[in-house]
Amino acid sequence: GENVEQHPSTLSVQEGDSAVIKCTYSDSASNYFPWYKQELGKGPQLIIDIRSNVGEKKDQRIAVTLNKTAKHFSLHITETQPEDSAVYFCAARGGTGGGNKLTFGTGTQLKVEL
Amino acid sequence: GAGVSQSPSNKVTEKGKDVELRCDPISGHTALYWYRQSLGQGLEFLIYFQGNSAPDKSGLPSDRFSAERTGGSVSTLTIQRTQQEDSAVYLCASSLNRASYGYTFGSGTRLTVV
Repeated sequence: GENVEQHPSTLSVQEGDSAVIKCTYSDSASNYFPWYKQELGKGPQLIIDIRSNVGEKKDQRIAVTLNKTAKHFSLHITETQPEDSAVYFCAARGGTGGGNKLTFGTGTQLKVEL
Repeated sequence: GAGVSQSPSNKVTEKGKDVELRCDPISGHTALYWYRQSLGQGLEFLIYFQGNSAPDKSGLPSDRFSAERTGGSVSTLTIQRTQQEDSAVYLCASSLNRASYGYTFGSGTRLTVV
């Protein structure tokens, strides 16, 4: 089955700096890669996603890049703000018999310091 | 409803007791997923329901775990003879259909086995 690895596990940045979180996946047939943000006591919320037919997608201060050859994808947050502090999860949807279920990374605790 | 609703939000139970966790998906969503999130870990897939098809139970960790979905809507996750290692946040998500990529998560049930 699919295996997703995520780094780093914790990330501390100064307000206004950029943050980058990286993930790798194992199933070359995977075709959908969402990113979720989880605040304390809440369920994960989808913040951005990318499909395998594009290499980059942007939405205001966040962007995701996908390298299918290397099987890795990254989340980029620019001009970070304190409200960006949360746990971020990457995920991949397996393309081979995985149905629609997502396999998640182990999460990155992002702390934006004033 | 407007979102995915889970109940209870918190549950403390004694080791050896059975527990039932409930998930009410977004109205019209035919796909429903259960995940488990242990402290400091990613989201571990448990079970997936799609319409009237047989569920994908491949993630259930033992035969103490079972789930059902009545009338294609509400789902109940049952854990029998709870153990301390069952302590975790149990998250439910739903999506429009099998081909729909986006999941919407509930806020989860925090289960503590003492």
